[in-house]
Amino acid sequence: KAGVTQTPRYLIKTRGQQVTLSCSPISGHRSVSWYQQTPGQGLQFLFEYFSETQRNKGNFPGRFSGRQFSNSRSEMNVSTLELGDSALYLCASSLSPGDGAEAFFGQGTRLTVV
Amino acid sequence: EDQVTQSPEALRLQEGESSSLNCSYTVSGLRGLFWYRQDPGKGPEFLFTLYSAGEEKEKERLKATLTKKESFLHITAPKPEDSATYLCAVGIAGNNRKLIWGLGTSLAVNP
Repeated sequence: KAGVTQTPRYLIKTRGQQVTLSCSPISGHRSVSWYQQTPGQGLQFLFEYFSETQRNKGNFPGRFSGRQFSNSRSEMNVSTLELGDSALYLCASSLSPGDGAEAFFGQGTRLTVV
Repeated sequence: EDQVTQSPEALRLQEGESSSLNCSYTVSGLRGLFWYRQDPGKGPEFLFTLYSAGEEKEKERLKATLTKKESFLHITAPKPEDSATYLCAVGIAGNNRKLIWGLGTSLAVNP
């Protein structure tokens, strides 16, 4: 079966711009989590959605937002981009929320802010 | 404060040279401990879940164990294809369920 698909794979944006990243989970998975990964900070949890509802949120500023659609696809948006937002953004899908057990990750979107 | 620490940061082994990676944690309530493998340019790949002290899981050359304060990922007779970053994550119990991730151990296995 198809894995988790994230688009785009690479993105270059300018400070102050906004960006939208997309994640299509594995068919049948209703839980989607988003992470930011940087060499110094590791994986940082952004938020988790289940059945179109945000279940949990990490410690990120309000510039980071997300949503989930009825088909479980999810998007995350970052407004007013800063240089420090440069990172690999990963999406993970699972059957049920909150556990991380057997979560399947996409290949990520590499965002570079210049 | 909930914290997960992995050691060493990097490890270089010769093919066949067994070793262990460590994941130590201090959390208010453990819901589970998870090991993932991440190859360059890819997302993490799930390996194991451990829920209680004394539990062990095995998969090919990998064996994960759990105590009340730490987990070990033992790699027996590694091969070059085992080269990757190994990530540990701890699930926090309670109303604000979340995962705390370690920074990972970068493993290189030389032929």
